[in-house]
Amino acid sequence: NAGVMQNPRHLVRRRGQEARLRCSPMKGHSHVYWYRQLPEEGLKFMVYLQKENIIDESGMPKERFSAEFPKEGPSILRIQQVVRGDSAAYFCASSDPGTGSSYEQYFGPGTRLTVT
Amino acid sequence: LAKTTQPISMDSYEGQEVNITCSHNNIATNDYITWYQQFPSQGPRFIIQGYKTKVTNEVASLFIPADRKSSTLSLPRVSLSDTAVYYCLVAINDYKLSFGAGTTVTVRA
Repeated sequence: NAGVMQNPRHLVRRRGQEARLRCSPMKGHSHVYWYRQLPEEGLKFMVYLQKENIIDESGMPKERFSAEFPKEGPSILRIQQVVRGDSAAYFCASSDPGTGSSYEQYFGPGTRLTVT
Repeated sequence: LAKTTQPISMDSYEGQEVNITCSHNNIATNDYITWYQQFPSQGPRFIIQGYKTKVTNEVASLFIPADRKSSTLSLPRVSLSDTAVYYCLVAINDYKLSFGAGTTVTVRA
């Protein structure tokens, strides 16, 4: 039973380029969450998605960032025109709606984005 | 979300019991207390969750006094592989997990 998968694990982009981060939730999980962890800090919530729906994007910057979770395929976090301040570890998590709770989230290994 | 305060770091030796106390003075009636563990270069992992009194699983125990203004995560007989950052989270049954700086536990041989 594979866990949450994220790719790539490491991503290097020059300023102004686009970054695409992918997340495949655990089998049977239809709730996906994205978090960002800056160096020496805790994880910060960005966005919560269900299949084809954005439920809460209150933690995501209004510009340059977008997220989707299509009916088929992985969830994508897209960062356009990256800047050095976007350098961070981006974690995806998923949960099972059948349990009735979302505090028990299963995290992927993260994508470490470096903007040069 | 209730603010939490926990020690920045703790050192221990293999075989000892490690107790990490988290303060959450403003915890609300509906809030649960949840602990996560994060190893270097990995995502956090759910350890345990409780509302009051004591909860125990195969990994840890969670002690919550009657006033619920604090909680203590207890790791029995730690090994080197328990070296990690431990996060205390307080929230209602909600999806927006809020991680602070956590407690870095270092286990030495």
